[in-house]
Amino acid sequence: TQLLEQSPQFLSIQEGENLTVYCNSSSVFSSLQWYRQEPGEGPVLLVTVVTGGEVKKLKRLTFQFGDARKDSSLHITAAQPGDTGLYLCAGASWGSNYQLIWGAGTKLIIKP
Amino acid sequence: DSGVTQTPKHLITATGQRVTLRCSPRSGDLSVYWYQQSLDQGLQFLIQYYNGEERAKGNILERFSAQQFPDLHSELNLSSLELGDSALYFCASSANPVGAIEAFFGQGTRLTVV
Repeated sequence: TQLLEQSPQFLSIQEGENLTVYCNSSSVFSSLQWYRQEPGEGPVLLVTVVTGGEVKKLKRLTFQFGDARKDSSLHITAAQPGDTGLYLCAGASWGSNYQLIWGAGTKLIIKP
Repeated sequence: DSGVTQTPKHLITATGQRVTLRCSPRSGDLSVYWYQQSLDQGLQFLIQYYNGEERAKGNILERFSAQQFPDLHSELNLSSLELGDSALYFCASSANPVGAIEAFFGQGTRLTVV
């Protein structure tokens, strides 16, 4: 059974601080996505990474796919209250019959 | 706007009843996924359809069923409802059934069973 473990489960920091969220697995994924979900809303796709070692930047957010395509990280620089939300990672691989395997999420709160 | 439409947005019903949730995927997307999300929990995958056929099943109860119609819209039927079925139900669609699957989610249906 393929699993994606996200850490930390919960993070509360002050505005302006930096943070990193991790998504780890023992399985190889062909692609990995990061989503952000706000309360009562559906998750919104932030980025997709497909190549081992790939780094993508979205303004203050930096996403990295591990060289072995088993893990990923999301780094936020100078966090703002608008970054508050539930961050979910999801991976797809042939081993999962290309089903999306979801992490449990990281609940992020940025205090002004 | 993700392009995925779910109706209704809110639903309140009594235990033992049956409800139907509806999802219209993004134009051109052949895959539809259904998820359940309880309060402060992650997404629980229920079922996936691809071009009208069931492709994968997750932790879907026998009281729940789904189908995808020729026009690609999908319905999730929940019967003999219990208090524990209260949750947000999301539908997502994607263009690619394999490879870099990118899921686009609807706004969800908040089901409250009383």
